[in-house]
Amino acid sequence: NAGVMQNPRHLVRRRGQEARLRCSPMKGHSHVYWYRQLPEEGLKFMVYLQKENIIDESGMPKERFSAEFPKEGPSILRIQQVVRGDSAAYFCASSPLGTPTANVLTFGAGSRLTVL
Amino acid sequence: AQSVAQPEDQVNVAEGNPLTVKCTYSVSGNPYLFWYVQYPNRGLQFLLKYITGDNLVKGSYGFEAEFNKSQTSFHLKKPSALVSDSALYFCAVRDGGGGSYIPTFGRGTSLIVHP
Repeated sequence: NAGVMQNPRHLVRRRGQEARLRCSPMKGHSHVYWYRQLPEEGLKFMVYLQKENIIDESGMPKERFSAEFPKEGPSILRIQQVVRGDSAAYFCASSPLGTPTANVLTFGAGSRLTVL
Repeated sequence: AQSVAQPEDQVNVAEGNPLTVKCTYSVSGNPYLFWYVQYPNRGLQFLLKYITGDNLVKGSYGFEAEFNKSQTSFHLKKPSALVSDSALYFCAVRDGGGGSYIPTFGRGTSLIVHP
């Protein structure tokens, strides 16, 4: 039973390019969370999605960032026109269907974005 | 609003000695509390959680944590540290009183266990 799969593990982009990060949740999980990890800042929530629905995007920057979780396929975090400040590790986590209240999050290994 | 504070950026302990990694929280409802561990270049792994019941929670790899409502704390402990315990530890909280479904994480504490 594969865990949360993220790809690419490492991504290098030049300023102004687009970055697409993919996340396939654990089998049977229908809730996906995206977090960003920056040195000295810890883990910051970005967006929470269910299939075909954004539940909470309060942590997403208003511009350039978007996320989706289609009916088929992985969740995608998209960053347009990347800037150096977007360089970070982006983690995806998933949790099972049902009341997510007490559910533990299962994390992927992360995607490390470097913007040159 | 919910928040977590991990007051120590780094904790150093000698192998074989007990370790404590501190965490305090703030939520408006009942706290659901979690500890995760992150090894280099890896994702976070779940260690233990407190939802309700006994204040002392036992988790993976010999770790335990004590929920203290009056002090709003959930410190992570282990009686005898191993070098392999060296990692980054995150405390997380979410409001079990019908608030946000989103866990809020602390900044992390780097645990270094010296041989």
